[in-house]
Amino acid sequence: DTGVSQNPRHKITKRGQNVTFRCDPISEHNRLYWYRQTLGQGPEFLTYFQNEAQLEKSRLLSDRFSAERPKGSFSTLEIQRTEQGDSAMYLCASRPAGGSAGELFFGEGSRLTVL
Amino acid sequence: AQTVTQSQPEMSVQEAETVTLSCTYDTSESDYYLFWYKQPPSRQMILVIRQEAYKQQNATENRFSVNFQKAAKSFSLKISDSQLGDAAMYFCAYSKSGGSNYKLTFGKGTLLTVNP
Repeated sequence: DTGVSQNPRHKITKRGQNVTFRCDPISEHNRLYWYRQTLGQGPEFLTYFQNEAQLEKSRLLSDRFSAERPKGSFSTLEIQRTEQGDSAMYLCASRPAGGSAGELFFGEGSRLTVL
Repeated sequence: AQTVTQSQPEMSVQEAETVTLSCTYDTSESDYYLFWYKQPPSRQMILVIRQEAYKQQNATENRFSVNFQKAAKSFSLKISDSQLGDAAMYFCAYSKSGGSNYKLTFGKGTLLTVNP
């Protein structure tokens, strides 16, 4: 399968713990995005990478959240000191340079449950 | 700020029939994109159809077509000859044109059930 891969698919953690999600984009895609989807809502933009550079961060991305994309390949999203409000599906998407406007290739998501 | 509203939380359709999903949006921009994305259960979200605001002609992709009413800020999706595989959550989304066209604003979604 050459689609966007996200791991783990589901993470259950206790409040206050740190969690990290990984995203492997489609290999030739240099642009990578993180979105968050809470129950009953559509996805919301979190952050955007072009190669290894993080070019934009939403105000939704508090200082407890950090995203990286070393070497412009896979990306990680870390949440420190998790809170119950962090429970959501975290979606990763990628697209190639010059790709069609608005066409993002999404992964299946990583679901976070904070107890 | 741009907003996208989907007023139908759930819809159902009989197999082979036609169904229309509604979407309204609000923006002060004159050039933008509108999208319908499909999210099947436990599967990744995929782009169904895209409309560029400066194009008057409604977009069509096989059994999927849109009714884009720019003045009314309305963007509905029509699915013809519905199939069981069309069952999914459908999200209407908006993006500005230009360099920020990756930053999508989504509606809350409409859950479509297809009855055999």
